[in-house]
Amino acid sequence: AQTVTQSQPEMSVQEAETVTLSCTYDTSESDYYLFWYKQPPSRQMILVIRQEAYKQQNATENRFSVNFQKAAKSFSLKISDSQLGDAAMYFCAYSVEYGNKLVFGAGTILRVKS
Amino acid sequence: KAGVTQTPRYLIKTRGQQVTLSCSPISGHRSVSWYQQTPGQGLQFLFEYFSETQRNKGNFPGRFSGRQFSNSRSEMNVSTLELGDSALYLCASSKDKQTQYFGPGTRLLVL
Repeated sequence: AQTVTQSQPEMSVQEAETVTLSCTYDTSESDYYLFWYKQPPSRQMILVIRQEAYKQQNATENRFSVNFQKAAKSFSLKISDSQLGDAAMYFCAYSVEYGNKLVFGAGTILRVKS
Repeated sequence: KAGVTQTPRYLIKTRGQQVTLSCSPISGHRSVSWYQQTPGQGLQFLFEYFSETQRNKGNFPGRFSGRQFSNSRSEMNVSTLELGDSALYLCASSKDKQTQYFGPGTRLLVL
């Protein structure tokens, strides 16, 4: 069974600084997708970034980038120039090529200090 | 483009009752997935519907069921409610097979 592990229950970052959230996963599939979702206190889950396993290039979206290490089954999220609005619960998630089921990690609470 | 909508947003029920939650996907999205979010178990996949057919199912008891209509709107039903069913129920829709966009959720409290 596929599993996703986020080992950091909580992280803090100073405004304008950089923070990295960790995620590891376990799968026997060769084709799959990885995601980072953000859930602010309003509870609306928002897609932050997506990575296709067959792509070697790490995905980037403005201040958000990932470090995808397929052999190590690691998928970390780097947030640059952190803003107060980045404060939220961040979930790492996985899905296989042929289905839509998302497997989520336990989440990491990110606090941003001004 | 309107996002995923879920109704109702909040619901209070008592044990033994049943409940129906509704989800309207983003226009053009044919896949709808449901997730349960609780503090103890985190986010867990319930089921996914595509073109009115259940395509994937999570590990939940038969009290949890769903359906999808021809306009891709989906409903989720929980019968014989238990206290442990109290949760945030999230619906997500997708156009392709992989990127899901979530609704605001329905907060269910079972007393």
